[in-house]
Amino acid sequence: AQSVTQPDIHITVSEGASLELRCNYSYGATPYLFWYVQSPGQGLQLLLKYFSGDTLVQGIKGFEAEFKRSQSSFNLRKPSVHWSDAAEYFCAVAADTGRRALTFGSGTRLQVQP
Amino acid sequence: DAGVIQSPRHEVTEMGQEVTLRCKPISGHDYLFWYRQTMMRGLELLIYFNNNVPIDDSGMPEDRFSAKMPNASFSTLKIQPSEPRDSAVYFCASSLGAALHSFGNQPQHFGDGTRLSIL
Repeated sequence: AQSVTQPDIHITVSEGASLELRCNYSYGATPYLFWYVQSPGQGLQLLLKYFSGDTLVQGIKGFEAEFKRSQSSFNLRKPSVHWSDAAEYFCAVAADTGRRALTFGSGTRLQVQP
Repeated sequence: DAGVIQSPRHEVTEMGQEVTLRCKPISGHDYLFWYRQTMMRGLELLIYFNNNVPIDDSGMPEDRFSAKMPNASFSTLKIQPSEPRDSAVYFCASSLGAALHSFGNQPQHFGDGTRLSIL
């Protein structure tokens, strides 16, 4: 079965600084990978996804992520963080076995300092 | 376009009572998912449907939980009897089915969730 690890529970960055959120997955074949963001009291919004092709994927709100098969990683990046980016971020994986459900990581809470 | 709609947004009830959570998926979507989010366990899948048929209910914690999808535009998650440990945020999500190789192009869209508190 697939699994996802987000090693950082909480990250604080200054506004305007760069950001990298880590995600490691465990799955034997090529996974489908997603990053979602959850603002307080809200549902999850899809930031970006990877399923094949170019290993650097662009998403909404200026986010990007890079798939590295050798490291089983799918880290999320943003060159300059805005105060409105403060939220919880979830990495998720889906297998290509036909089971449509997502397996989520435990999430990383991002705090942005002025 | 309307997104996934869940009701109620908040529910507070006493232990032992029946709780019913409701979800209206995005029109045209043929997959519907129920997730539960807690501090201890994070986001976990409870059950999902395809074309109104339950496909995988292995995440349903116990017999007190049941889910139905009587038609393409409505699903319920019921807990009877409820217990304090059921307190969580319950999310519904929907997606448009796709061939396996293009699944990544059809992500899941989430509702705003129902925050359930069992006293």
